[in-house]
Formats: sequence, C-alpha cells, structure tokens
Amino acid sequence: AQSVTQPDIHITVSEGASLELRCNYSYGATPYLFWYVQSPGQGLQLLLKYFSGDTLVQGIKGFEAEFKRSQSSFNLRKPSVHWSDAAEYFCAGIYNNNDMRFGAGTRLTVKP
Amino acid sequence: DADVTQTPRNRITKTGKRIMLECSQTKGHDRMYWYRQDPGLGLRLIYYSFDVKDINKGEISDGYSVSRQAQAKFSLSLESAIPNQTALYFCATSDAQLADTQYFGPGTRLTVL
Repeated sequence: AQSVTQPDIHITVSEGASLELRCNYSYGATPYLFWYVQSPGQGLQLLLKYFSGDTLVQGIKGFEAEFKRSQSSFNLRKPSVHWSDAAEYFCAGIYNNNDMRFGAGTRLTVKP
Repeated sequence: DADVTQTPRNRITKTGKRIMLECSQTKGHDRMYWYRQDPGLGLRLIYYSFDVKDINKGEISDGYSVSRQAQAKFSLSLESAIPNQTALYFCATSDAQLADTQYFGPGTRLTVL
C-alpha cells in the first residue's frame, strides 16, 4: 500500500544545533514528495517539494531535503535551528492516483 | 485576506446531528481537498475535487459527503455525526497540475459529543 512514514514522533534539539527529520516512502514508484510545517493553531505551509532532477532540494526558512532512491528516503535538514522552528513537520507524497499521503508528523521542540 | 478560508473555525455538536463545514478559496484553483487530522495519524484525505463536476473519494470517505457548489467553494458534510469524527479538518486547494503545491486553510476543530 502507498504510504509515507516518519519514524520519529518527537525530536528535541538545542537552538543552533543541526536538525534532520526522517521520512521514508513505500510503493514501487517514486511519489512526488513534500515537506510541510504546521505551527500551533495554524494550517500547513509548504517548505519544499521534489518532483525530479537534482536530488538536493532547497526550501524556505533555510531548510533542505535530500531524495535518496536507494533508501526510499526524503529527509529534511537544517544546519542551525532557531527557536521559531518549533512546530510539527509533515512529510507527504503524491502517488499516481493523485492521492496525497501524509506521514504521522514529527513534533520538533527547540531548547534554548 | 486569506486565500483559503474555512467556516466555522470551531464547532461542538452532538451525536446524530448533521454538520456542514465550508471552504472558500480566492486562488482560482480548480482542485480542492478535504482532510482530517488526528494526533499520531497525520492528515488523511476524505474527498477531493478536480473541478465542479468531478468529485472523488479519498482514503477515508465513509460517513462524509461533499458538495462542490462552485470553483471557489467546497463543502464537507457529516450527515449523522459520531464521536470518532472529532478531529481537526483542513481544506486545501491546488492548481490543475498533478502534484502541484497544496495550499491549506486554517482548519476547523470539530468536537462530537
């Protein structure tokens, strides 16, 4: 079945430290892949997306993600986390049936 | 003004009641979507519409119905609400390209007692 998995429910990092949020996708065909961020009480905002081409994708707010076909992964990274990055992050993929599947989300806490 | 608006933002209702959640967009997009968000489950697609005459079931459509009244409006109905439909509901829109960016509304928090 088509699915997107985020193995980490909650991650805590110190402000200024680097960040990596994991995302894995299933199914034979590569979906189109997205990372969204949800701040408390808000809707989802797109950080970046991958359709094809360069496997390292740059997004907004200093985020980037790398697509690795061999690992079925699309991990999100940021070299230096800011307190304002505390939020919930969702990885998502669209498969051939136009159906977007979301991961369960990773909640990021940033320690001062 | 927000591009995607949802009304109401919060609603408390009782089991068995009919509820309608409304979504409007000013982005001129053809595609609209309804999702529900539950803790630990992420967002799951309920219904989506590629234009006014095209409605499709998503992953979890049972117990829900939708109406696409116009390009800019997409309503979600719960004909007879039940407690396990308590969730945060999001409307989203996208342009007519496969896998184009989806733009989300602020959400409606629905509680069914």
